[in-house]
Amino acid sequence: DTAVSQTPKYLVTQMGNDKSIKCEQNLGHDTMYWYKQDSKKFLKIMFSYNNKELIINETVPNRFSPKSPDKAHLNLHINSLELGDSAVYFCASSQVIGQPQHFGDGTRLSIL
Amino acid sequence: DQQVKQNSPSLSVQEGRISILNCDYTNSMFDYFLWYKKYPAEGPTFLISISSIKDKNEDGRFTVFLNKSAKHLSLHIVPSQPGDSAVYFCAASGEAGKSTFGDGTTLTVKP
Repeated sequence: DTAVSQTPKYLVTQMGNDKSIKCEQNLGHDTMYWYKQDSKKFLKIMFSYNNKELIINETVPNRFSPKSPDKAHLNLHINSLELGDSAVYFCASSQVIGQPQHFGDGTRLSIL
Repeated sequence: DQQVKQNSPSLSVQEGRISILNCDYTNSMFDYFLWYKKYPAEGPTFLISISSIKDKNEDGRFTVFLNKSAKHLSLHIVPSQPGDSAVYFCAASGEAGKSTFGDGTTLTVKP
């Protein structure tokens, strides 16, 4: 039974489109995160939510909008996709912020 | 400004020998450090952590050492096994609990 699951695993789309990535955790954790891993393999935090409340919002274009309908879900919506958005996006969760995180297997986003 | 650095992009060791992965940080406000292991097409998996009040933490074959004055931590794996071949990320957290990751070291353990 997957602890942190994100869908889809692969996403190929055209520049300018709007897309969403979904994430769910069944660990009962209070905190969820979105990370972007670019071609240089850096894992950079984008957002963090604690109990549905946004607590970390890094310098990310406002085309990216996270949504947390409940504490088990943190979805990422991206408007007007650009070539530079191509990356692997990881969702993660932890019991409290800063503690060890459980990661999903990533969503590989490719922009044509 | 890269606050957490792993200066060796890759490391190759023989099975049974020790693997030492290094990580340097610049922010003295970091107070909790973690190591994650990542296999291809999977997410990172938490391995071991250390608080800034300690200088060593051991868990089976894995030991993390922290040298606060040098702002340096290392992960020792002994004995190394082929299944340890993966990308290893160090991470540091402090202010507001935000984790900052290094860019990873690819470890290859040869049989």
